[in-house]
Amino acid sequence: DSGVTQTPKHLITATGQRVTLRCSPRSGDLSVYWYQQSLDQGLQFLIQYYNGEERAKGNILERFSAQQFPDLHSELNLSSLELGDSALYFCASSVQLAGVNNEQFFGPGTRLTVL
Amino acid sequence: LAKTTQPISMDSYEGQEVNITCSHNNIATNDYITWYQQFPSQGPRFIIQGYKTKVTNEVASLFIPADRKSSTLSLPRVSLSDTAVYYCLVGPVGNTGKLIFGQGTTLQVKP
Repeated sequence: DSGVTQTPKHLITATGQRVTLRCSPRSGDLSVYWYQQSLDQGLQFLIQYYNGEERAKGNILERFSAQQFPDLHSELNLSSLELGDSALYFCASSVQLAGVNNEQFFGPGTRLTVL
Repeated sequence: LAKTTQPISMDSYEGQEVNITCSHNNIATNDYITWYQQFPSQGPRFIIQGYKTKVTNEVASLFIPADRKSSTLSLPRVSLSDTAVYYCLVGPVGNTGKLIFGQGTTLQVKP
């Protein structure tokens, strides 16, 4: 158990819908990261927040957005869903913003299926 | 950004030592080498990190030659539970903590 929690574990929805994925980082961790893992794209970085502020963006679609709240939990919002958005979405957390010893702890993931 | 190249897959048997090599010819002076392990339908898990020579922890060893253009993850006496995907990452990536994953090496341990 990494200490990072994600809800829900599974999500099945239809194209065009909007969903929200939730992540609670390890106690004391200020950085939260979101990653998407699909069969054809592998594990891809989406976005990073540090202490409530966005700090890095990866290949995140404009239909996707995220935020980190004052209690440090984070939400990833996916809208106008398409079939290709079906994937495993992982949240990770770390103590620091960056640095070489910045080990990330990954949650169990949310499996999103878009029908 | 240093690109990494790993074998796509490897097979081994229980009790054997497994060595997975990663090539990173364009590694920068301030880059470290980090390995993560991922089981099916689980998030990746940090295994080990190093800069040069050899690093050992309770689960693995990491060998890095002087030129640092490659690195080898060594797993001693693997068991069936070591069947997983192993990712070699080189960084830091700018002034953030984001991880750039390659394709990884799928290790299959057989009885």
